[in-house]
Amino acid sequence: SQTIHQWPATLVQPVGSPLSLECTVEGTSNPNLYWYRQAAGRGLQLLFYSVGIGQISSEVPQNLSASRPQDRQFILSSKKLLLSDSGFYLCAWKRESSSTDTQYFGPGTRLTVL
Amino acid sequence: QQQVKQSPQSLIVQKGGISIINCAYENTAFDYFPWYQQFPGKGPALLIAIRPDVSEKKEGRFTISFNKSAKQFSLHIMDSQPGDSATYFCAAGATNKLIFGTGTLLAVQP
Repeated sequence: SQTIHQWPATLVQPVGSPLSLECTVEGTSNPNLYWYRQAAGRGLQLLFYSVGIGQISSEVPQNLSASRPQDRQFILSSKKLLLSDSGFYLCAWKRESSSTDTQYFGPGTRLTVL
Repeated sequence: QQQVKQSPQSLIVQKGGISIINCAYENTAFDYFPWYQQFPGKGPALLIAIRPDVSEKKEGRFTISFNKSAKQFSLHIMDSQPGDSATYFCAAGATNKLIFGTGTLLAVQP
């Protein structure tokens, strides 16, 4: 069976500090990977998605970046956090063989920027 | 054209009642319509999904109704239970992406 992990679960960072959130998937090969942000009481905003190693599509211009150094690893980064970067960050995966298919979400990382 | 509009924003239902959440889309290229359930502090989990070649899909107490001509779809929760209290998101998919609605906070009162 497939499992998706995210860490850390919670993070409190000062404004201007760097960020690195990690997501890994087990039990599948060459998945599509996604980063979403969910503001308090709001919907899910797609930030980045990747269909393969080194292939990143950015959906929203901002001070965040994403990388996929390995097939089942997806990293969300920032060089300098802003207050507006606070939120619940969710990683998701789906099977690459279908153009539209279920996305499975990880447990999320709660980021608070002070 | 990429938006998915979801209503209501919040919903209070008595135990045993029917919860109904509606979504509308514009892009006719969408061909996959899932509903997700999210509990506080957790990631969303797939509840039920439908493709546009059928008008209804039922799984247990959960039913999706799909109206292709109106570009609308809805989630019906029959015999709503307090354990169903959560935020529900509709979504529409095409080309490796899902576009999510803004969510409905459902509270089922005992």
